[in-house]
Amino acid sequence: NAGVMQNPRHLVRRRGQEARLRCSPMKGHSHVYWYRQLPEEGLKFMVYLQKENIIDESGMPKERFSAEFPKEGPSILRIQQVVRGDSAAYFCASSTGDNSPLHFGNGTRLTVT
Amino acid sequence: QKEVEQNSGPLSVPEGAIASLNCTYSDRGSQSFFWYRQYSGKSPELIMSIYSNGDKEDGRFTAQLNKASQYVSLLIRDSQPSDSATYLCAVRTGNNRKLIWGLGTSLAVNP
Repeated sequence: NAGVMQNPRHLVRRRGQEARLRCSPMKGHSHVYWYRQLPEEGLKFMVYLQKENIIDESGMPKERFSAEFPKEGPSILRIQQVVRGDSAAYFCASSTGDNSPLHFGNGTRLTVT
Repeated sequence: QKEVEQNSGPLSVPEGAIASLNCTYSDRGSQSFFWYRQYSGKSPELIMSIYSNGDKEDGRFTAQLNKASQYVSLLIRDSQPSDSATYLCAVRTGNNRKLIWGLGTSLAVNP
């Protein structure tokens, strides 16, 4: 499968637990973006990363959220001590560079109980 | 003024008609423009990219870009019920290279 791979597709966590969302970009793509979307709402940018670098994290909450894109392996979006308000669809997208379009994964639906 | 604006709709067209979706943007230096389709509960799917003034056609879809007037539109010919979705406009700004998203236009194609 040459597309953007996200896992898990669905993730259920209790309040206070940690959530780890994984994203493997398309082959040849070195730019990764994370977005969050609530039902019936628009895409909300969270963070933009290249290999081993965070380029723009202006959309990421200052606390509990972190993201990485290591030299080897997938990009990880980590949410510590989840709260009910973190329940949303989290989409990862990848691209080859600045002017190229983003290609999205199928998303991870996080439910916090 | 929002950086990227779309009419939220819903836009309702009969099957077989042309659907016209519009998007305006505020940064005159913007260079890259994208249209995505998003079905309910699914991820956005790229339909078209356009980078220069004029029309770009791909099957039933035509993207139109007018940088002087700062708008980009998407025409869907011979609309089908399966085209019913939310259409998202995304613009790569010129100043800080950020990708700015509109909130989307909901399209309903009625059989």
